[in-house]
Amino acid sequence: GAVVSQHPSRVICKSGTSVKIECRSLDFQATTMFWYRQFPKQSLMLMATSNEGSKATYEQGVEKDKFLINHASLTLSTLTVTSAHPEDSSFYICSARKGTDTQYFGPGTRLTVL
Amino acid sequence: QQQVKQSPQSLIVQKGGISIINCAYENTAFDYFPWYQQFPGKGPALLIAIRPDVSEKKEGRFTISFNKSAKQFSLHIMDSQPGDSATYFCAASAGLTGTASKLTFGTGTRLQVTL
Repeated sequence: GAVVSQHPSRVICKSGTSVKIECRSLDFQATTMFWYRQFPKQSLMLMATSNEGSKATYEQGVEKDKFLINHASLTLSTLTVTSAHPEDSSFYICSARKGTDTQYFGPGTRLTVL
Repeated sequence: QQQVKQSPQSLIVQKGGISIINCAYENTAFDYFPWYQQFPGKGPALLIAIRPDVSEKKEGRFTISFNKSAKQFSLHIMDSQPGDSATYFCAASAGLTGTASKLTFGTGTRLQVTL
């Protein structure tokens, strides 16, 4: 199998604070991880591609200074939402690539910014 | 060029019936086509995937049919069960062309299997 975990599963924070979400591949090494955002009843929107040991590649329209991504090891990528505001409230999901193209997803993190 | 069009948006099937979800793509560079199942509040789970060198792949009750010339692929769920009620996403990527295997997702199909 291929297991990906995310922590925390839910987080509530005040506007203006920063929140860090961790994504771990538990039983395989992943040189590439991806971060997605999903709004209710909608599809997944790719935010950025995270490569171990290098800078993340952000999709058009995603603020790189707002969503900081670090991929310091082959099993861990982190997404930090800086100075969070209510409009950043969403379901954030990471995935880790195993092999050439198969992506395994984490369980997601529900972020609520008050 | 990058879109993957998915239909229907929602589907209601009786228990024991066949659920069919269709996807169409435009980018001929796509060479990997996975299907994901997502329950509310959870991350997507990989169900089954296919590459263009085969026209059909079956895993248990789940079958992917692939038509390369029509640029279409579909998911068939045989003997549908209430536990299959979820949202299904098709996706595609051009993994062998150096694009880091970014997945392009369809819009999703909400399946409800009734008793």
